[in-house]
Amino acid sequence: EAQVTQNPRYLITVTGKKLTVTCSQNMNHEYMSWYRQDPGLGLRQIYYSMNVEVTDKGDVPEGYKVSRKEKRNFPLILESPSPNQTSLYFCASSFKGQGGYEQYFGPGTRLTVT
Amino acid sequence: KQEVTQIPAALSVPEGENLVLNCSFTDSAIYNLQWFRQDPGKGLTSLLLIQSSQREQTSGRLNASLDKSSGRSTLYIAASQPGDSATYLCAVRPNSWGKLQFGAGTQVVVTP
Repeated sequence: EAQVTQNPRYLITVTGKKLTVTCSQNMNHEYMSWYRQDPGLGLRQIYYSMNVEVTDKGDVPEGYKVSRKEKRNFPLILESPSPNQTSLYFCASSFKGQGGYEQYFGPGTRLTVT
Repeated sequence: KQEVTQIPAALSVPEGENLVLNCSFTDSAIYNLQWFRQDPGKGLTSLLLIQSSQREQTSGRLNASLDKSSGRSTLYIAASQPGDSATYLCAVRPNSWGKLQFGAGTQVVVTP
């Protein structure tokens, strides 16, 4: 089944404890990205990657890191999480189909930083 | 800077009524527009994708129109059902690889 998977789905952690949220897609998509969703602010892009070893900042990259060593994986790293990074995180990937580039989203990771 | 607005923010209709959801964007230079559905606490499910050269797309009870020159898209859901209750988001893409710019969404409740 074609899908974008994220792990963990739920995470509660403490300020300053490094964490990684994994993202994997099995559709051979080149473009992958991370978003965070907050009440009243909607969905905002954190980082994106156009291909292996090619990444760039989105709208809200501060406090996050990413890497793209393999086409299928795009982990999101929080080196020193803070409470303002409590949010719902989505990984997404895109491919060019008949209708142009269409984005597919993972199920989300709910992160709470205390 | 592209801004995407969805009005109304919330909508409640009785089962069987047609739903009309609006999306407007300030910069008409878009590559495509995508409508999503999001259930509470869940991920986004792609509903329809409209290329900038297209006027509309249809899938089952769903129909989305695009008027790029006026910066508007409308999602129609015919004969609504309680299972259609969700938040509907529209998003525009400025170019083939660019990020999606999302609206805040319209929360829909369909009452039996």
